[in-house]
Amino acid sequence: NAGVTQTPKFRVLKTGQSMTLLCAQDMNHEYMYWYRQDPGMGLRLIHYSVGEGTTAKGEVPDGYNVSRLKKQNFLLGLESAAPSQTSVYFCASSYGGLAGGEQYFGPGTRLTVT
Amino acid sequence: TQLLEQSPQFLSIQEGENLTVYCNSSSVFSSLQWYRQEPGEGPVLLVTVVTGGEVKKLKRLTFQFGDARKDSSLHITAAQPGDTGLYLCAGAFNDMRFGAGTRLTVKP
Repeated sequence: NAGVTQTPKFRVLKTGQSMTLLCAQDMNHEYMYWYRQDPGMGLRLIHYSVGEGTTAKGEVPDGYNVSRLKKQNFLLGLESAAPSQTSVYFCASSYGGLAGGEQYFGPGTRLTVT
Repeated sequence: TQLLEQSPQFLSIQEGENLTVYCNSSSVFSSLQWYRQEPGEGPVLLVTVVTGGEVKKLKRLTFQFGDARKDSSLHITAAQPGDTGLYLCAGAFNDMRFGAGTRLTVKP
């Protein structure tokens, strides 16, 4: 099992450009999450999904969109990147429970917006 | 403002020393988790505590959940260089809320 994989691992964007981050999991988990991690801020939830075809906003959703067309994939989009979106992005999945279930994390995507 | 405050933010100790890190909040959690994150990787779950006053041990690591379920501590006995990493606590509210972490360095 690969667990949770993320592509790409690194990306540099110019302000105003768009991009999509891809997350894939092979554990048949219902729940998937996108977080961003910034120094001194910890992990903050951007969007999450409780199943195929569903998405919901987390703590910091502005400037991001997501889609979950297939159970195993969760995409995070930035339509018009801003320097404030420079961060490390982590995808995670869990079998059940938005709160309290064990979350399995991917290795992260380091995004720099200039 | 962080919902979960972790202290200390940084900790550097020698191999063999003991240490305790803390996770505090003014809110009550239904459960609390501790994760460890190594550079360039995602966090990995160490333990979940659910009951107020609960103590769990994982080899040299001891986790305690406060009686009021507002705080938790992680104690490491005889720290080793392999314990180096970022320790994150996460509390269950409507979703999981993470603290900023304690960055531990254990020097050989």
